[in-house]
Amino acid sequence: NAGVTQTPKFQVLKTGQSMTLQCAQDMNHNSMYWYRQDPGMGLRLIYYSASEGTTDKGEVPNGYNVSRLNKREFSLRLESAAPSQTSVYFCASSGTSGSTDTQYFGPGTRLTVL
Amino acid sequence: AQSVTQLDSHVSVSEGTPVLLRCNYSSSYSPSLFWYVQHPNKGLQLLLKYTSAATLVKGINGFEAEFKKSETSFHLTKPSAHMSDAAEYFCVVSYTGGFKTIFGAGTRLFVKA
Repeated sequence: NAGVTQTPKFQVLKTGQSMTLQCAQDMNHNSMYWYRQDPGMGLRLIYYSASEGTTDKGEVPNGYNVSRLNKREFSLRLESAAPSQTSVYFCASSGTSGSTDTQYFGPGTRLTVL
Repeated sequence: AQSVTQLDSHVSVSEGTPVLLRCNYSSSYSPSLFWYVQHPNKGLQLLLKYTSAATLVKGINGFEAEFKKSETSFHLTKPSAHMSDAAEYFCVVSYTGGFKTIFGAGTRLFVKA
């Protein structure tokens, strides 16, 4: 039982390049989330998916897109990377619909944009 | 606006002494409150959560937190610190019916031998 997995673990991009961060969970959870973590700011919600087939914006969605491919997978895409998107990205999932449930986090993707 | 404030960015204690990490949240009629821990270069792990049951919540590894509605606080405590407790701790609030969790900025706990 792997829980929440994320790929890649590390990535370096040049400004303007695009990439997709992958996330998968094997806990049969309904809800999935993408966060970014910056020093001194905690985690900020980028996008979430309450259930398969739905996605919604969080606190900091600009510059990102997401796809809930199926119940297991939730990807985050940067179409044209900018240095301000240098951060650590975490995917999370929760069992019931709603953020009052415990969230389970992946190990993170450390992204640097030059 | 919903918010959560962790009152200390860094806390340093000696091994075997008590730990207190402070958290205040903006008032709501039905908040759920969480403490998560993040060890270096790792993801976040749930320590404990409050969801309107008992106001004193016990978590893993000897941690506990008390929900005080009158003070809008949810401080995390542990009677005796261990070296393995050195990590960053996040207080988190969310509200029934919503999907948006609000994270505090984090408190880094240092434990001295």
